[in-house]
Amino acid sequence: GQNIDQPTEMTATEGAIVQINCTYQTSGFNGLFWYQQHAGEAPTFLSYNVLDGLEEKGRFSSFLSRSKGYSYLLLKELQMKDSASYLCAVRDRTDKLIFGTGTRLQVFP
Amino acid sequence: NAGVTQTPKFRVLKTGQSMTLLCAQDMNHEYMYWYRQDPGMGLRLIHYSVGEGTTAKGEVPDGYNVSRLKKQNFLLGLESAAPSQTSVYFCARSLYGQPQHFGDGTRLSIL
Repeated sequence: GQNIDQPTEMTATEGAIVQINCTYQTSGFNGLFWYQQHAGEAPTFLSYNVLDGLEEKGRFSSFLSRSKGYSYLLLKELQMKDSASYLCAVRDRTDKLIFGTGTRLQVFP
Repeated sequence: NAGVTQTPKFRVLKTGQSMTLLCAQDMNHEYMYWYRQDPGMGLRLIHYSVGEGTTAKGEVPDGYNVSRLKKQNFLLGLESAAPSQTSVYFCARSLYGQPQHFGDGTRLSIL
């Protein structure tokens, strides 16, 4: 079967660092994506990992371990505008995306 | 809107009515997708298309039909709307192997 797990909710303080974990079991693996979705808006692409290791993009970094079926999204220097849902998605062997249910992050002052 | 325009943005239907959701892209991408998003369920793929004139079923295709007569447009049809189809519908486009980019969504309520 196909299964992607991520925490439902997380809270953090402005200026802090937060790590959002994602574990997956899918039929084949052709890359892992992270999307950000503000309430009432469309998902927007954040990062993509296909090889093991860390990808850094400004305040956001994403890590992948294919052998462990594990990824995390790291957000540094949190800002209020980072309050959103973060979606983990795996591209399977047929090139379709399988999405997790998302992690709702609330950033407090 | 990432070059993906969805119309309408909101709609209320009665059970049994039919309607078509339109998705238009301005990037000439081969791949287009229709998803629905429900609370606690994440995004689920309804149908997708890998090129003009081709469509394929996703995870939750029942009750929906699609057409891709022109490369720029991907239509999602509800033949006989049911309350279970109340959802937010997102269209996305992509090139092969590249990230998908989403439209702003259509909020559909079926009474």
